[in-house]
Amino acid sequence: QVTLRESGPALVKPTQTLTLTCTFSGFSLSTSGMCVSWVRQPPGKALEWLALIDWDDDKYYSTSLKTRLTISKDTSKNQVVLTMTNMDPVDTATYYCARGYSGSYGDAFDIWGQGTMVTVSS
Amino acid sequence: SYELTQPPSVSVSPGQTARITCSGDALPKQYAYWYQQKPGQAPVLVIYKDSERPSGIPERFSGSSSGTTVTLTISGVQAEDEADYYCQSADSSGTYPDVVFGGGTKLTVL
Repeated sequence: QVTLRESGPALVKPTQTLTLTCTFSGFSLSTSGMCVSWVRQPPGKALEWLALIDWDDDKYYSTSLKTRLTISKDTSKNQVVLTMTNMDPVDTATYYCARGYSGSYGDAFDIWGQGTMVTVSS
Repeated sequence: SYELTQPPSVSVSPGQTARITCSGDALPKQYAYWYQQKPGQAPVLVIYKDSERPSGIPERFSGSSSGTTVTLTISGVQAEDEADYYCQSADSSGTYPDVVFGGGTKLTVL
């Protein structure tokens, strides 16, 4: 069974750096075609893709946020970490990690974590 | 920046057919994907590669593509289908594909 779980602070102050961890099980990020993405959703608003890391350690970022984002993986721990610098109240959102597997579903994200709510406030 | 355009809302009565559209200039060249999201829950993939259905998704969910528009069709809508639906695709105009989501469509079952 494939599962993903996000963890990180529920509250961060403006200008601080947010670090989120996605811990997954049921698949290996070393498998060809596998990837993990981060997606966020402000309250009452649409989904927004942030970043993706694949089995080959290639990294892709949202054009609009790439200067603030860093994604990395620790295959031995089955974890993917996202950092976002210079947090602002507009970054308040639920942050999801999700799996992609091109071998089955193309560029879709077939399994999602439950999400973690992050509030940016002083 | 590249955008996928969805109608904000669609309303249908139980048993009717709901059609939710998603428009984008790159859709003739890139696959589209559809997600269902119920309040307080994570999105669930319901259609991939324009028209394929993952295992476990009811047959009443189908997808189609025509030019710059893709459509999610829910036949025989049930009350449990009331949710937000998002399309996803990629902007291939840059150096690498940028994942893009539509603005979402709220499906109301009357």
